[in-house]
Amino acid sequence: DTEVTQTPKHLVMGMTNKKSLKCEQHMGHRAMYWYKQKAKKPPELMFVYSYEKLSINESVPSRFSPECPNSSLLNLHLHALQPEDSALYLCASSQASGGVQETQYFGPGTRLLVL
Amino acid sequence: QQQVKQSPQSLIVQKGGISIINCAYENTAFDYFPWYQQFPGKGPALLIAIRPDVSEKKEGRFTISFNKSAKQFSLHIMDSQPGDSATYFCAAPEGSARQLTFGSGTQLTVLP
Repeated sequence: DTEVTQTPKHLVMGMTNKKSLKCEQHMGHRAMYWYKQKAKKPPELMFVYSYEKLSINESVPSRFSPECPNSSLLNLHLHALQPEDSALYLCASSQASGGVQETQYFGPGTRLLVL
Repeated sequence: QQQVKQSPQSLIVQKGGISIINCAYENTAFDYFPWYQQFPGKGPALLIAIRPDVSEKKEGRFTISFNKSAKQFSLHIMDSQPGDSATYFCAAPEGSARQLTFGSGTQLTVLP
């Protein structure tokens, strides 16, 4: 099973709302990633968790707050977002074995619209 | 600085034709080059990948050609089918977390 699941599929929120995106994998992967993808653009890395510890934060605004409760789950907490934050938010995971040919597996994404 | 440059931005091919997408990279420390395929409303999925010590890799209708001295590589899709219509990204993992640096993407349309 190489599936990464994400919920919800779609989310509409106002600028004063607080919401969370969820990601789950059961492949035993120890690295999990959040990417943001705007229309017709490549995914842009936001955060990386390695062995449940935040290892990379790509200077993401504090209105995005990641959380990794355990090795299978990754959350992205959203608060006071701006309309320009509307995008497809992708979660990915990999083994974190350090191998050169390690593959990242992506979820289907959450389509977020901020009004 | 764009680490991985991809072209063309869009490509239209007739069914049965050959689709060719090109990428060039700057960082000689890159050690692995995956290609991802993304359908609308879906996340990217690994299609095929190559290491820089290999000049060509073929999987079914998909072939990567790699030119290490020129720091260029390309994806060839033989006998292109309408079901191949998608966005294709070349990428390179870097850093301790092997985070992916993506090319800008190519939107491929295969006409029936």
